[in-house]
Amino acid sequence: AQKVTQAQTEISVVEKEDVTLDCVYETRDTTYYLFWYKQPPSGELVFLIRRNSFDEQNEISGRYSWNFQKSTSSFNFTITASQVVDSAVYFCALSEARNNDMRFGAGTRLTVKP
Amino acid sequence: EPEVTQTPSHQVTQMGQEVILRCVPISNHLYFYWYRQILGQKVEFLVSFYNNEISEKSEIFDDQFSVERPDGSNFTLKIRSTKLEDSAMYFCASAMGVQPQHFGDGTRLSIL
Repeated sequence: AQKVTQAQTEISVVEKEDVTLDCVYETRDTTYYLFWYKQPPSGELVFLIRRNSFDEQNEISGRYSWNFQKSTSSFNFTITASQVVDSAVYFCALSEARNNDMRFGAGTRLTVKP
Repeated sequence: EPEVTQTPSHQVTQMGQEVILRCVPISNHLYFYWYRQILGQKVEFLVSFYNNEISEKSEIFDDQFSVERPDGSNFTLKIRSTKLEDSAMYFCASAMGVQPQHFGDGTRLSIL
């Protein structure tokens, strides 16, 4: 069965600090997808990135970067030079190719203080 | 950019009443999903729907729940006799293929 673990419940940083959110997953499938979503205080889920299991290339998008390592079953998310607007709950999620349902981690609440 | 629309944004219902949450998926999408998020907790999968039938459901999705695509555009989640513990944010999602899923903004359901 698929499982996602986000061990960090809450993180608090000061603006301009870099912060890494950890995500560890479990799956028996060889084909799967990993996601990160942001949930701001308004409650909606904002899609950030999708990665498939065959693409281990790290990705950078502005201040955001993702480090996918199959050897450690991790898909970590780094925010560089954090800003107050980055304050939100961040969810990592996994979906196996053989079924469509997404399994979310418990989320990490990030607070960026000015 | 097309988006998934959910109505209402907030629904308040008395315990024991039936409630229907509505979703309009993106028009050319074929896969539809409902998820639930109890306040302060993680997002949990409820059910997926494809080709006019349920393709997967979680243990949460018991006989109290049902889904329907009544008219080719709407996708509804019905809770037959609501309980206090059904209070949560309910997210609808849709997808063209298996992935990626596009989420609506959610309906906050409050059971009194």
